[in-house]
Amino acid sequence: RKEVEQDPGPFNVPEGATVAFNCTYSNSASQSFFWYRQDCRKEPKLLMSVYSSGNEDGRFTAQLNRASQYISLLIRDSKLSDSATYLCVVNEGGADGLTFGKGTHLIIQP
Amino acid sequence: ETGVTQSPTHLIKTRGQQVTLRCSSQSGHNTVSWYQQALGQGPQFIFQYYREEENGRGNFPPRFSGLQFPNYSSELNVNALELDDSALYLCASSLSAARGYNEQFFGPGTRLTVL
Repeated sequence: RKEVEQDPGPFNVPEGATVAFNCTYSNSASQSFFWYRQDCRKEPKLLMSVYSSGNEDGRFTAQLNRASQYISLLIRDSKLSDSATYLCVVNEGGADGLTFGKGTHLIIQP
Repeated sequence: ETGVTQSPTHLIKTRGQQVTLRCSSQSGHNTVSWYQQALGQGPQFIFQYYREEENGRGNFPPRFSGLQFPNYSSELNVNALELDDSALYLCASSLSAARGYNEQFFGPGTRLTVL
């Protein structure tokens, strides 16, 4: 069974702090990896793709470790608007659709 | 906004009834995927349609069925509704590629409540 595991939180973090999320995936043949953001009662939206070489987009850094089947997301200088649920997502390839983790709930406190 | 629309936004049904949910894909996209998101869970893949054919399916029973139309819009049909079918149903459109992955763009979802 293909699974993506992540800590559901909630993570309560003061504004301006750095926060890190991790997730693990079970299918070693997985092909593509992503972090999605989902606001309350809204649809998921792609935050960033994740590559083995690591990638950065402003305050966000994502990293993939294929050997350990582990994906991470780092948010620096957190803002109140970063409060959301962050979904770890894996694409198995072909027409299998996306496999989502349950999400990690982040609350940035003023 | 992604350009993916879904209707209706909310729906209340009773056990045993049937429901049809609709999705219009983003312009230029030929692939539609459907997901079920129960409260407190991540979305779960139901199936995917490409060129009017189902070409991938998750672990959902046959009472979950779908259609894709020549304009690439899609329907999700659920028969014999059960209480556990209460969830947010998300449609995602993408442009299919022979290799690699193309981003899926999600619609706002239809929230189904089964009483």
